[in-house]
Amino acid sequence: DGGITQSPKYLFRKEGQNVTLSCEQNLNHDAMYWYRQDPGQGLRLIYYSQIVNDFQKGDIAEGYSVSREKKESFPLTVTSAQKNPTAFYLCASSIAAGRDTQYFGPGTRLTVL
Amino acid sequence: QKEVEQNSGPLSVPEGAIASLNCTYSDRGSQSFFWYRQYSGKSPELIMFIYSNGDKEDGRFTAQLNKASQYVSLLIRDSQPSDSATYLCAVGLTGGGNKLTFGTGTQLKVEL
Repeated sequence: DGGITQSPKYLFRKEGQNVTLSCEQNLNHDAMYWYRQDPGQGLRLIYYSQIVNDFQKGDIAEGYSVSREKKESFPLTVTSAQKNPTAFYLCASSIAAGRDTQYFGPGTRLTVL
Repeated sequence: QKEVEQNSGPLSVPEGAIASLNCTYSDRGSQSFFWYRQYSGKSPELIMFIYSNGDKEDGRFTAQLNKASQYVSLLIRDSQPSDSATYLCAVGLTGGGNKLTFGTGTQLKVEL
């Protein structure tokens, strides 16, 4: 089955720790995205990548880092510099940059203890 | 200033009625428009997309785009309890490299 997978589904982090969220797609999509969703707010773009080995900051990149070493993988690291990391994190992909539709993975819910 | 605005609701409609969800956007150069449905605790799933002025129908769903007035709407005919969810409007901005800006969503409740 083609699709986007994210792991883990739930993640608990202690303050001061870095954690990495996984996002994998087997849709052969070039572009991948990371969003954050907080209650009562829309999705906000953290980072996006239009091609392997290249990525750009979104609207709220501070405290986050990404890599895009393979076409199918776009992991997100939430660093200790992110002051309020508790949120629902969503990964998406699209065929290419342009007007193409973005499809979402199931999400990772991160809670800071 | 928000770039994509939606009424947060909840919008309550009786089963079988037409639900009308609206979204306005601020960038006149916006080129692509999407509606996603999101059930509580789940990720968004695509309902429809529309690029050109006018109506686009898919089953019980109709998307309407009016670029002159800068609004896009989603009509759901014969609403079912399973349609109860939050509906997110997303807009692709000019030169955005496929970056989407999302509204905060409208919660729809379909009552028996």
